[in-house]
Amino acid sequence: RKEVEQDPGPFNVPEGATVAFNCTYSNSASQSFFWYRQDCRKEPKLLMSVYSSGNEDGRFTAQLNRASQYISLLIRDSKLSDSATYLCVVNTDSGTYKYIFGTGTRLKVLA
Amino acid sequence: GAGVSQTPSNKVTEKGKYVELRCDPISGHTALYWYRQSLGQGPEFLIYFQGTGAADDSGLPNDRFFAVRPEGSVSTLKIQRTERGDSAVYLCASSLTSGGAGEQFFGPGTRLTVL
Repeated sequence: RKEVEQDPGPFNVPEGATVAFNCTYSNSASQSFFWYRQDCRKEPKLLMSVYSSGNEDGRFTAQLNRASQYISLLIRDSKLSDSATYLCVVNTDSGTYKYIFGTGTRLKVLA
Repeated sequence: GAGVSQTPSNKVTEKGKYVELRCDPISGHTALYWYRQSLGQGPEFLIYFQGTGAADDSGLPNDRFFAVRPEGSVSTLKIQRTERGDSAVYLCASSLTSGGAGEQFFGPGTRLTVL
């Protein structure tokens, strides 16, 4: 089983739609969680950290469920510019600060 | 301000050759990470430096791969006897904090092609 798993997609959604991605992790000792965005042939960039209580940044909401070991990302009112790959990132080995990336979920927002 | 830079941006080499990939982190960032990304995959962790020392090199695939950061700033990833399977984009990232919650800033990557 992979340490961090994501549905690779692609998710094709119309503009204005709400879309959600999940990511599961295998190590219950994982402590830090992030969503990164990666555009085609570009480097990943931090979208948002994920906090235990859940957090929101504009149209983006991130949630953490420690009991079921997954994190989620919700995008409301999708824009064409949201089209990208969304990478789930987990610190799976407390104390070494090694980050494990999922394979990414590809999102395409259609006009 | 300047972000993370990586050179070269592209490297084509022949099987069996030696290559060096360079990463220049953001000034003042103590943590530096190397990743490898193949098409359709997420970045795969290779090695992490805290200052000059390799804090975790568990992701290096074998002893053909080696990385250094002698002065705690610039880092070089060295690959000996390259194989076709080494072809990928090699990403470097740096982070200000030494803790696990710091944002990583990525460079544009070096695209390595082994013929």
